Amino acid sequence: DTGVSQNPRHKITKRGQNVTFRCDPISEHNRLYWYRQTLGQGPEFLTYFQNEAQLEKSRLLSDRFSAERPKGSFSTLEIQRTEQGDSAMYLCASDRIAEAFFGQGTRLTVV
Amino acid sequence: SQQGEEDPQALSIQEGENATMNCSYKTSINNLQWYRQNSGRGLVHLILIRSNEREKHSGRLRVTLDTSKKSSSLLITASRAADTASYFCAYNFGNEKLTFGTGTRLTIIP
Repeated sequence: DTGVSQNPRHKITKRGQNVTFRCDPISEHNRLYWYRQTLGQGPEFLTYFQNEAQLEKSRLLSDRFSAERPKGSFSTLEIQRTEQGDSAMYLCASDRIAEAFFGQGTRLTVV
Repeated sequence: SQQGEEDPQALSIQEGENATMNCSYKTSINNLQWYRQNSGRGLVHLILIRSNEREKHSGRLRVTLDTSKKSSSLLITASRAADTASYFCAYNFGNEKLTFGTGTRLTIIP
């Protein structure tokens, strides 16, 4: 399968703990995006990389959130000191020209 | 906050009927894309239409774009039970990130 891969698929964590998600994009895609989706809503943009450079961050991305894309390949999204409001589906997408392909997402539940 | 609006929010039709969903946006765009999402899953790319195109077809899907009205529609013909899902429009303007609509929940009744 050469699509976008995200791990883990599900994560349950206690409030205050740190979590890290991983995204492996389609190999020839140089752009990678993170989105967050809450129940009944469309995805909302969090941040975007072109190769290893993080080019844009949303206001939704508080200082508890950090994303990296070392060497322009896979990316990680870390949430520190999780809060119940962080519970959501975290989606990763990649593209090269215009058509963005999404992974299956990581569903985070903060209890 | 999301800038796209989709209409209707929910739609139920009999299998075999056609389903039409509409998307409106507020700014100029480079392109507009439609995605399908099955419950709790990732988004599947359906079709992309560029700002200089007015209509595009892919199988049972037909997308139109009216940039003067800042609106797009997705038509699914001869619906099937497997088409039951949420459908989102998404567009970008001036940069690469996508802005998504609020989605239409489509239910196909067998």
